[in-house]
Amino acid sequence: SQQGEEDPQALSIQEGENATMNCSYKTSINNLQWYRQNSGRGLVHLILIRSNEREKHSGRLRVTLDTSKKSSSLLITASRAADTASYFCATAPNPYSGAGSYQLTFGKGTKLSVIP
Amino acid sequence: KAGVTQTPRYLIKTRGQQVTLSCSPISGHRSVSWYQQTPGQGLQFLFEYFSETQRNKGNFPGRFSGRQFSNSRSEMNVSTLELGDSALYLCASSLAGEGGIYSPLHFGNGTRLTVT
Repeated sequence: SQQGEEDPQALSIQEGENATMNCSYKTSINNLQWYRQNSGRGLVHLILIRSNEREKHSGRLRVTLDTSKKSSSLLITASRAADTASYFCATAPNPYSGAGSYQLTFGKGTKLSVIP
Repeated sequence: KAGVTQTPRYLIKTRGQQVTLSCSPISGHRSVSWYQQTPGQGLQFLFEYFSETQRNKGNFPGRFSGRQFSNSRSEMNVSTLELGDSALYLCASSLAGEGGIYSPLHFGNGTRLTVT
């Protein structure tokens, strides 16, 4: 079953603009991760934010997490044509058994198109 | 380091047949997870293996099975194929072990299975 729900489902912007994608989830989480997927290929991990963190940066990426609202956002600044891809949020569950095993629950993704 | 390798890249099978997909994780990664990706259901967790033991299983029928070998390579098998099994099957490896919930997943490029 899907836990994360990304919004919008599709986003089209001009190169150089910022892109913001949102993710909402339903149950308590240990951490939330964002992944990128280029058409027909595997997913690439972008950033992980723990449940006790509110904001995290990595290069042109900025992720926020609001556990009270069960939501997260991914901001890509100064977008490039190469950023064209689908972006997924994925949540790791809480409580965590501590056994090292966990399954990520993915949303259905936001399809980002960056027009040169 | 070589990434996660999945073979074959494409497969076409007929209803009722069975199929075996292979995954070689990143060297040193002992956790291997499998996900099914379809346009309708998105990414769905199949199972996770660690040191040859299945630690976690998603909500899929018993026709879906897997195993992991001592070198961490993994295979998944789908028996009595149905049209609805057509999907991109993604394998991911991680360092997940003790306290490994913060280890990101490293995905292969997937096996595209078409059932006719």
